[in-house]
Amino acid sequence: NAGVTQTPKFQVLKTGQSMTLQCAQDMNHNSMYWYRQDPGMGLRLIYYSASEGTTDKGEVPNGYNVSRLNKREFSLRLESAAPSQTSVYFCASSRNQGGNYGYTFGSGTRLTVV
Amino acid sequence: RKEVEQDPGPFNVPEGATVAFNCTYSNSASQSFFWYRQDCRKEPKLLMSVYSSGNEDGRFTAQLNRASQYISLLIRDSKLSDSATYLCAVNSGKIYGGSQGNLIFGKGTKLSVKP
Repeated sequence: NAGVTQTPKFQVLKTGQSMTLQCAQDMNHNSMYWYRQDPGMGLRLIYYSASEGTTDKGEVPNGYNVSRLNKREFSLRLESAAPSQTSVYFCASSRNQGGNYGYTFGSGTRLTVV
Repeated sequence: RKEVEQDPGPFNVPEGATVAFNCTYSNSASQSFFWYRQDCRKEPKLLMSVYSSGNEDGRFTAQLNRASQYISLLIRDSKLSDSATYLCAVNSGKIYGGSQGNLIFGKGTKLSVKP
């Protein structure tokens, strides 16, 4: 039972490069989320998808785009990476948006932009 | 007032001690409450849900105080392996098409259990 799988686990980008972070869940969850976690800032929501076919901005969406490819997959794209986007990125999923059963997180992607 | 607030700690306690964390939330419409554990360089993992009547899981007890808008986590007989950061999570209470909105996470309280 894999849960939430994120790739890659580590990435170093140069300023201005683009990349896509991949996330897939096998729990048949409806809702999916992308967070970033920075020291002293806690988990901040970037984008979320309440259900297949919908996406919405979270607290810190600037510089990112997302795609809910199907019910299982939710990707996060950085079009032109900036040093301020150096962070740990977590994907999460939940049975429904209200999170009545909590969220399940992937193991994270450590991104460094130089 | 921030939506979800926690004392960042660190809490440094000896093995066997009892330690309690509080987490305050601002939205009285919030309906779902959780405690997560996050080990260093790992993802947050669900520790326990917090129910209105309170709930217990072994050495861990979670309680909800709606009147004062806080949740608490009590750890009895602390073990070295309890050392981690504990995050509270509260749903935003906003209604989107009937749902309760997203979970909002506190910044976490760091616990260090010493021999």
